[in-house]
Amino acid sequence: GENVEQHPSTLSVQEGDSAVIKCTYSDSASNYFPWYKQELGKGPQLIIDIRSNVGEKKDQRIAVTLNKTAKHFSLHITETQPEDSAVYFCASGYSSASKIIFGSGTRLSIRP
Amino acid sequence: DTAVSQTPKYLVTQMGNDKSIKCEQNLGHDTMYWYKQDSKKFLKIMFSYNNKELIINETVPNRFSPKSPDKAHLNLHINSLELGDSAVYFCASSRPAGELSEQYFGPGTRLTVT
Repeated sequence: GENVEQHPSTLSVQEGDSAVIKCTYSDSASNYFPWYKQELGKGPQLIIDIRSNVGEKKDQRIAVTLNKTAKHFSLHITETQPEDSAVYFCASGYSSASKIIFGSGTRLSIRP
Repeated sequence: DTAVSQTPKYLVTQMGNDKSIKCEQNLGHDTMYWYKQDSKKFLKIMFSYNNKELIINETVPNRFSPKSPDKAHLNLHINSLELGDSAVYFCASSRPAGELSEQYFGPGTRLTVT
C-alpha cells in the first residue's frame, strides 16, 4: 500500500527565516498531495494542495513543489512568523483509492 | 456556524466499557471519515462513508463500529475498550469520494481508557 515518509520530524527556525519540509511517497499512481497544519488542541486544516498535473503552487508565503519522477514533494514557508508554529502533515492519494495517507508530521517551532 | 462538530470533546472511561462518539457536518458533503491520532501524532484513517455507504474499512478491530444514519452524521461506537484505544479521534468530511479534495476536520475527541 501507499507509504508517505516525512522529514524532519522537528524543525526550529528563526522568525523571518524560511522552513522546508520534505515528503516522499511510494505509489506512482498518487495524483493529489495536500498539506495540513495542526495547531495545538485542534484538528488538521488544509493550507495548500497540489495535483500531479502541476509542478509548483504558491499561496502568499507558502509554496509546494512536486517532483513526480522522484516521488518527492516539499512545503516551503518563507518569512516565518510565530503563528506558523504548529505540526505540519503532508499526505498523498489517488482518486480511485478514495483516501489520502498522511506522513508522520513535522513539529515546526519559530524562535523569536 | 461550526462546519464539523464532534461530541464529546473529552471521554475518560475504564477498560471493558462501551462508548460512542458523535460527528455532524453542515457542509453538505457526501463523504465522512474517522481518523485515529495516537500519542506520537500519527494520523491514520479508520473508516470512510460516502452518502451513508461504507467505502473504506481499514484494518480496524471489529470492536469499532461506525454508523451513518444520514450523510450529515457519522458516529463511532467502540465496544470493550482497551488501553490501546486511548487516542484522539477525528471526524472529517469532504466532497464525493471520487474526487480527492480538502478534508474538513472536527476538533477531535480525546479518549482516555484507564
